[in-house]
Amino acid sequence: AQKITQTQPGMFVQEKEAVTLDCTYDTSDPSYGLFWYKQPSSGEMIFLIYQGSYDQQNATEGRYSLNFQKARKSANLVISASQLGDSAMYFCAMREGRQAGTALIFGKGTTLSVSS
Amino acid sequence: DTGVSQDPRHKITKRGQNVTFRCDPISEHNRLYWYRQTLGQGPEFLTYFQNEAQLEKSRLLSDRFSAERPKGSFSTLEIQRTEQGDSAMYLCASRGLAGNSGANVLTFGAGSRLTVL
Repeated sequence: AQKITQTQPGMFVQEKEAVTLDCTYDTSDPSYGLFWYKQPSSGEMIFLIYQGSYDQQNATEGRYSLNFQKARKSANLVISASQLGDSAMYFCAMREGRQAGTALIFGKGTTLSVSS
Repeated sequence: DTGVSQDPRHKITKRGQNVTFRCDPISEHNRLYWYRQTLGQGPEFLTYFQNEAQLEKSRLLSDRFSAERPKGSFSTLEIQRTEQGDSAMYLCASRGLAGNSGANVLTFGAGSRLTVL
C-alpha cells in the first residue's frame, strides 16, 4: 500500500489566488512527521513546512499552511496568494517513528502551474 | 553554511561503465542520505549514514550499488556495470543532530543526473 498518496498530478492556479495540494498518508505508528518539499525545474528539493503527529495546531510558514486532519490521515498544503515563482513540483513526505535517522517516504508529487 | 553539494551535476555514460557520485553534506550534519528520483516520481530512499556507519540500505540498492562515507564527512555512491534502468537523478541530503534548529529537516543537494545510453 502507498504510504503517501498525492492524487493530483497537476494543478493550475492564477496569480494571487490560493491553492490546496492534497496529501493522504498511511501509518500505524502514533509518532510521525509530515513534510512538504518544493522542487523547481532546477531540481533542488526545498523544504517548505513540517507537521508533527502530536502537534495540536496546524503548521504555518509564511504563505504556506498545512491543513492537518489526523482522523482522515490527510496533510494538505495550502499556498495563499500564489506567485509565478511557485510553479514547481510539490512533494508530500512522511517520517515514521521516533528514531532520529528514519528516512523520509515521498509521494509522487503534484505539478503546480501558476499563470498571470 | 554552503548547503549540500553534489558532483557531477550531470553524467552521461554507456551501459556497462562504472560511475561515481560525490556528496558533501552541510559540515555539522552527521546524518547523510541518498535517494533516487526517476522522471515523474518522488524520491526513493537508497541508503543512510550516521557519521561513517551505513545504518540502513533499501532493497533498491542492488549489489551493483555501493555507498561509502569513510571519514563521516563526504560520501560517494558508485554504480558498477550501469544499466539503462539506472538513469535517474541521484539526490543526497543531510540532517543534523536532534536538538539543533531545523533538526527534523532534510536539506537536499541539487542532485546528480545520470543518463545511461
